[in-house]
This record gives sequence, structure tokens and C-alpha cells, in this order.
Amino acid sequence: KQEVTQIPAALSVPEGENLVLNCSFTDSAIYNLQWFRQDPGKGLTSLLLIQSSQREQTSGRLNASLDKSSGRSTLYIAASQPGDSATYLCAASSNAGGTSYGKLTFGQGTILTVHP
Amino acid sequence: GAGVSQSPRYKVAKRGQDVALRCDPISGHVSLFWYQQALGQGPEFLTYFQNEAQLDKSGLPSDRFFAERPEGSVSTLKIQRTQQEDSAVYLCASSFSGLAVYNEQFFGPGTRLTVL
Repeated sequence: KQEVTQIPAALSVPEGENLVLNCSFTDSAIYNLQWFRQDPGKGLTSLLLIQSSQREQTSGRLNASLDKSSGRSTLYIAASQPGDSATYLCAASSNAGGTSYGKLTFGQGTILTVHP
Repeated sequence: GAGVSQSPRYKVAKRGQDVALRCDPISGHVSLFWYQQALGQGPEFLTYFQNEAQLDKSGLPSDRFFAERPEGSVSTLKIQRTQQEDSAVYLCASSFSGLAVYNEQFFGPGTRLTVL
């Protein structure tokens, strides 16, 4: 059974800092790994998707890496801004039970606060 | 439509009542997923549809939970005889393909269910 863990559970940083969020997963047989952002009372916004054959993806100030062999992914946020404050979730898309459609297994999230 | 929509956004039910939650996926998306998110936790998989076929219902917590997608577009999640432990945010996601390798999932805003 796939299990996903995120560290730290919460992070508070001053504006302008670069930061790293960590995600680990127990089953390396994944199709892809997605990072999401969730604002209070809202749904999930997809940030980056890394295919299992890829090592990293970049979008603006965000960079996500994937190391399947060690079961780890990191989300790097450069030059953080107060508007980045949210909960960040990683999710692994697994072929659990031999399925091909990839249901997501989520971590519990990292609550990020960027203060001015 | 432009994105995944869900209704109602908020639902308060008395214990024992039946509720129905609606999801309108992105037009043309083959795959539709339902997830349940308890307070402070990451979402957990409930069920998966590929077009009108329900291929996986392994995450449904009890036989009080029932989902359908009769015409392969709109989906309804029904909970019978609601209990307090059913209180959660119910998220719907859709993706273009039925194959996980292409499956970036797009989420709706969720329905927050409170059972009194």
C-alpha cells in the first residue's frame, strides 16, 4: 500500500527566502507525482506534475524534483512571497492493484506561512 | 466549462439524512475521481469512473456511500443515513485520459459536508 509523508508539517519564513518542501513515498512504482496548492476553504490547484521518467519540472519560481529510487520528491520555492502562503500537498499516482488509471495517494500537507 | 464545478459548496445535514453531492467535470474528460478530505488531512481516494463505468470503488468507507455517472459526464455521490464521521470536504477531480501516465487531475472546489 502506497504511503506518502510530507515534512515539515508547517513552515514559517520571512518574505524573500528560498525554501524546500519534502515528500517521501513508500512504493516506487508510480506513474507520476503531483504537487498541489490548497488555500483555506478552497479546492486543490495543480502546480507541477512530474512523470515517472522525469527528474524535475519547473514553473516560474517553482521547481520540483523526483528521485524514484529513493522515494523522494522536493518542491523548491524561490524568493518566497506572502501570496505563497497556503497548504502544499504532494500526491503519488500509483498502479495499485494493477490499475492503469493512477489514483492519487496524498501526504498530509505542509502549511506554509510567508510573512512580510 | 472552464473547470471542475461542484454543488452545493456547503451542506449541513442532520444525522440520518440522505445527501447528494454533484460534480460537473471538465467537458470531454474521460476520468472522474472522488476524494474525501477530513479536517487537517490530505484527501483520500473514494472511487473512480472511466466514462460511465465505475472501475474502482475500493475507497468507499461503507455501503452507505454510492456514486454514479450514468452518461459519462456529471457524477453524483450519495450518502445515505449520514453519520457525524461523514463530515468532511468531498472533492471531485477529472482528467483527460483514462491512462495514468497522462493523468493530470484537475480538482473542483469541493463540497463541505457537516453532519449534526
